[in-house]
Amino acid sequence: AQTVTQSQPEMSVQEAETVTLSCTYDTSESDYYLFWYKQPPSRQMILVIRQEAYKQQNATENRFSVNFQKAAKSFSLKISDSQLGDAAMYFCAYRNSNSGYALNFGKGTSLLVTP
Amino acid sequence: KAGVTQTPRYLIKTRGQQVTLSCSPISGHRSVSWYQQTPGQGLQFLFEYFSETQRNKGNFPGRFSGRQFSNSRSEMNVSTLELGDSALYLCASSLGTGAYNEQFFGPGTRLTVL
Repeated sequence: AQTVTQSQPEMSVQEAETVTLSCTYDTSESDYYLFWYKQPPSRQMILVIRQEAYKQQNATENRFSVNFQKAAKSFSLKISDSQLGDAAMYFCAYRNSNSGYALNFGKGTSLLVTP
Repeated sequence: KAGVTQTPRYLIKTRGQQVTLSCSPISGHRSVSWYQQTPGQGLQFLFEYFSETQRNKGNFPGRFSGRQFSNSRSEMNVSTLELGDSALYLCASSLGTGAYNEQFFGPGTRLTVL
């Protein structure tokens, strides 16, 4: 079974600064998808960014970008120019055909943004 | 376009009872997945339905069941509730079942078992 590990239970960043959240995963598959989801206090899960494993180029969505290292099985999320609204739980997730396309989530990282 | 809706938002039950949670997907979405979120176990996949058929099931006991209707709305049922079933139950919908299909989550149903 695939496992997703987020080694940072909590992170803190000052407004306007940059923060990187770590995620590693374990898989023997070559074709899969990786995701970062944000869950604010409202509990609504929101997709932040996704990466297809076959794409070498790192995905970017506005202030959010990833560093995808396939050989190292690492998938970190960088948030630039952090805003107070970025405060939330962030979950890394893995998905591929062998899991029946179910999302396999890490335990999450709680991000605190300070003024 | 309306998002995924889940009803009820909050529910309190006692041990031994059963409960039914409902999920209405985004219009046009045919796949509905259910996840359980607890502080201890995190987010765990329960099952996925597509076109009224269960396509995938997570590692949960048979007390957890679900179904999908012809309009893609889905329900999940938990029988003989246990204290450990207290959790946030999240529903997600997508156009299809492939890994590339983005899953859109609802606000969740908070179930408390006393």
